[in-house]
Amino acid sequence: GAVVSQHPSWVICKSGTSVKIECRSLDFQATTMFWYRQFPKQSLMLMATSNEGSKATYEQGVEKDKFLINHASLTLSTLTVTSAHPEDSSFYICSARGGLTGDQPQHFGDGTRLSIL
Amino acid sequence: GESVGLHLPTLSVQEGDNSIINCAYSNSASDYFIWYKQESGKGPQFIIDIRSNMDKRQGQRVTVLLNKTVKHLSLQIAATQPGDSAVYFCAERRRYGQNFVFGPGTRLSVLP
Repeated sequence: GAVVSQHPSWVICKSGTSVKIECRSLDFQATTMFWYRQFPKQSLMLMATSNEGSKATYEQGVEKDKFLINHASLTLSTLTVTSAHPEDSSFYICSARGGLTGDQPQHFGDGTRLSIL
Repeated sequence: GESVGLHLPTLSVQEGDNSIINCAYSNSASDYFIWYKQESGKGPQFIIDIRSNMDKRQGQRVTVLLNKTVKHLSLQIAATQPGDSAVYFCAERRRYGQNFVFGPGTRLSVLP
């Protein structure tokens, strides 16, 4: 149980392109989803938290207009990197948490490796 | 921002030996802890969790120990196997309902 699917697993695109990453909870309802960014040999950095049907809460230093997050249903959240540039190249990972009390563990997708040329 | 690792400690163990991975957490009010395993190119995988009202929890081949006095968490892996090679992260929840904050991670290498 608690499977999170992330798509695509990797993407290469030209500078200036917008890229959408999907995160789906396959066998549970994700009341909260989280988006992380991970640089090589480093830990996960939280970018934003989103609750279904609400606007995402962004961490300090994360541009909300650059990283658009939509959590329109209990099983799907999307992260759109707008007008991506080489410095946006990274490993992006989503996680999802079920339940209404916030007392469940977070389960992660397998990440999306984004390379901007 | 959240915790960001500046280095990645490495632990090398012989196949069949026991492994102990340590983690120091920062907030004495943290109430829930999870160990995750991350293999190369994949997302973190849940291994085992423990809440602050416990000091030990066992799973299959894994044990998590929590010492709240010194804010220390450890993951013990019995009879380490090649498939255990990965980066292991501890994650703490600093307040009920909030997201988990990740430690810097430890790379476990299992030697044949």
